[in-house]
Amino acid sequence: DQQVKQNSPSLSVQEGRISILNCDYTNSMFDYFLWYKKYPAEGPTFLISISSIKDKNEDGRFTVFLNKSAKHLSLHIVPSQPGDSAVYFCAARINSGGSNYKLTFGKGTLLTVNP
Amino acid sequence: EAGVTQSPTHLIKTRGQQATLRCSPISGHTSVYWYQQALGLGLQFLLWYDEGEERNRGNFPPRFSGRQFPNYSSELNVNALELEDSALYLCASSLQGGWDTQYFGPGTRLTVL
Repeated sequence: DQQVKQNSPSLSVQEGRISILNCDYTNSMFDYFLWYKKYPAEGPTFLISISSIKDKNEDGRFTVFLNKSAKHLSLHIVPSQPGDSAVYFCAARINSGGSNYKLTFGKGTLLTVNP
Repeated sequence: EAGVTQSPTHLIKTRGQQATLRCSPISGHTSVYWYQQALGLGLQFLLWYDEGEERNRGNFPPRFSGRQFPNYSSELNVNALELEDSALYLCASSLQGGWDTQYFGPGTRLTVL
């Protein structure tokens, strides 16, 4: 059961344009959402996060939007740069009780930013 | 500051054997997390260790086990290897219980023949 879904395996955008990566989830108990970026042969690196009590978080060129009613979050990158080309993972955190947290990841979206 | 390190980079085993993967967290981090990334799947949470104790585990059979040492480094053991255990195994560390920011190592590629 895929509780965190990234339905687009890949996305290609032009340098300078906006990249929008989407993520849907099914479990309303998720309380925190994160985006990670992964380059080939490297581990994922934390990018940006958002608490379930917020609907937007911005950090430089990166903005994450959360729509709890739709169980949907998106990552906007503006403007996109060729160095942003990587696999982006959406992750959601759940507390199963007594600080027993668990992160559930989506399958990732490969973003390619063309010069 | 050194990042999370994992060894070995690649590991080739045959079915039924045991594999041991190692992880050294960032200095000062007490939590270590293990994930499996199989082909076509996202990262699947395996295990979380903090202060030497197993705090939580994902939906994996008991033949996936591990431990955390007093220096906070960690070992993941996979017994009775099966072909579908072939995957990239990622280790991450954070400050105690810092689920909001985990720092990942480069991973160990395990191939089971």
